[in-house]
Amino acid sequence: QVQLVESGGGVVQPGRSLRLSCAASGFSFRSFAMHWVRQAPGRGPEWAAVVIYDGSDKYYADSVKGRFTISRDNSKNTLYLQMNSLRGDDTAVYYCARGSSTGGRYMDVWGKGTTVTVSS
Amino acid sequence: DIQMTQSPSSLSASVGDRVTITCRASQDISNYLVWFQQKPGKAPKSLIYAASTLQSGVPSKFSGSGSGTDFTLTISSLQPEDFATYYCQQYNSYPLTFGGGTKVEIK
Repeated sequence: QVQLVESGGGVVQPGRSLRLSCAASGFSFRSFAMHWVRQAPGRGPEWAAVVIYDGSDKYYADSVKGRFTISRDNSKNTLYLQMNSLRGDDTAVYYCARGSSTGGRYMDVWGKGTTVTVSS
Repeated sequence: DIQMTQSPSSLSASVGDRVTITCRASQDISNYLVWFQQKPGKAPKSLIYAASTLQSGVPSKFSGSGSGTDFTLTISSLQPEDFATYYCQQYNSYPLTFGGGTKVEIK
């Protein structure tokens, strides 16, 4: 079955870096756009970034642009989010999500999420 | 950026009630709207895409309508498993943006 499993979350000090991973299985990973969506405690979801199927195009939310980098390795069926210069307001559950087969711009399958806490 | 405004932010309803949630976009998004359901501690689950198309496996008690700037999600007969928070999200253009959510609680 289609599955997305995030890893790499944890507690990190402000200004430090963290890399999240998302292992995909059960579908042709190389054919789909992939997203990162985050959700701060008690808040609604916030879209963070997307990479298209072959990695050649990426888009970011203004809140993470210049600090976060989304990437993918289609040979390993894995999505990444490199997070630099972390701030307290980056504290959230980070979800990996598959872009729909119809254009890829909404998320039709989600992982369970990994928690990132930015605190000194 | 396109702003998405949901109303109400919360509602109380009884089992069997018909519930309607509205979502308004700050500009025309055609039908590029998806509705999600989220339960506590779980990832969002897509219910409806393209404003009115039911995601595979989602029961037909859920329905969506609208285009342009005004959209609705209707649950025809609320069941205990439907108590959750519902979000709309536009995918007309990046950045993708979500509504603030509607929490459906038991009366």
